[in-house]
Amino acid sequence: GAVVSQHPSRVICKSGTSVKIECRSLDFQATTMFWYRQFPKQSLMLMATSNEGSKATYEQGVEKDKFLINHASLTLSTLTVTSAHPEDSSFYICSAGRTVSYEQYFGPGTRLTVT
Amino acid sequence: TQLLEQSPQFLSIQEGENLTVYCNSSSVFSSLQWYRQEPGEGPVLLVTVVTGGEVKKLKRLTFQFGDARKDSSLHITAAQPGDTGLYLCAGGFGNEKLTFGTGTRLTIIP
Repeated sequence: GAVVSQHPSRVICKSGTSVKIECRSLDFQATTMFWYRQFPKQSLMLMATSNEGSKATYEQGVEKDKFLINHASLTLSTLTVTSAHPEDSSFYICSAGRTVSYEQYFGPGTRLTVT
Repeated sequence: TQLLEQSPQFLSIQEGENLTVYCNSSSVFSSLQWYRQEPGEGPVLLVTVVTGGEVKKLKRLTFQFGDARKDSSLHITAAQPGDTGLYLCAGGFGNEKLTFGTGTRLTIIP
């Protein structure tokens, strides 16, 4: 149990375009999902907390208008990187939380490259 | 800002040796988790500890939560090449948000 998927696993886009990343909890319902960014050889940095049916909560320094988060159902959250630039190139990882245990289960990540 | 410092940052040892990774903070956590991440993949949950002084074992891995719930350690016995990866501790404060540690990159040499 506790499987989380992400799509796509890799994406290359041109500067100025937008990219949408999907995160799905496959075998459990997640009222809360999290979006992280990870630079090479570094730890995970929380970008935002996504709550089903309400607005996402962004961490300090994360641009809300650039990283649009939608949590439309108990099993799906999406992250849209708008007007992407090369500095947005990174490994984006989502996780889904189980409220009772406070454990998070992570997706396999999405490697975004902006050219 | 709650910070979780892990040490060592990098560790490279021979197969069969033992090792310990530490996770320290000035804050008290309601829970602490350990994850292992391999290149190009998401972190995989290894264990959750919630009680001060708690010890959990997972085959050759032993996890301990400090009495004051501010620190934790991960001990690996007889390390194997399959243990290679990035080890991350993550602390929770009673809500669902986690603060991740700085990470320990472990390499086991065959």
